[in-house]
Amino acid sequence: GAVVSQHPSRVICKSGTSVKIECRSLDFQATTMFWYRQFPKQSLMLMATSNEGSKATYEQGVEKDKFLINHASLTLSTLTVTSAHPEDSSFYICSVPQGVLPEAFFGQGTRLTVV
Amino acid sequence: SQKIEQNSEALNIQEGKTATLTCNYTNYSPAYLQWYRQDPGRGPVFLLLIRENEKEKRKERLKVTFDTTLKQSLFHITASQPADSATYLCAIIKAAGNKLTFGGGTRVLVKP
Repeated sequence: GAVVSQHPSRVICKSGTSVKIECRSLDFQATTMFWYRQFPKQSLMLMATSNEGSKATYEQGVEKDKFLINHASLTLSTLTVTSAHPEDSSFYICSVPQGVLPEAFFGQGTRLTVV
Repeated sequence: SQKIEQNSEALNIQEGKTATLTCNYTNYSPAYLQWYRQDPGRGPVFLLLIRENEKEKRKERLKVTFDTTLKQSLFHITASQPADSATYLCAIIKAAGNKLTFGGGTRVLVKP
């Protein structure tokens, strides 16, 4: 089955800096990938849908200028948290749907801590 | 608005017993309902899915039921083992390739 690789697994950055998170689909070409955010003891909340070759679609309340998404190829999507603040500290997870199959594969997640 | 609810209280269970988790949804007609396992600091891992026209699905020690009238799914872990300790998430989806909407998850702790 599809394998999703997310990098880095952990990152600590200073307030005001930007952080890039990569999500790679190793076995499956994905025209769509999803980015979720998970705060402690809460469930995954969809942030945006990454679309290969076009602009990402953001969920209500998610700032598109703060969370930049680039779907550079059929196997790579990146999420850049710009001008990070402590409240952006969270667990970010990408997922790759399997086309005609309804289940999705998830990356390992990225623990972002902004100090 | 759409809502998916799982019991937020942790489920403590003795090894060998059956753990039963509940997932209720409102204002939604999913084509599929899925269950995922999530370990601390890790992404979710797919376990089982059930279609809207299916009543029950089994995979090894796992069983899922789906009642579209009650808008509820039950997830059972039979002969539970300490290794089954994790958070279990239910998720609904309209169609393959669409985004998943998750419940809050239920933490299961299996004691030896």
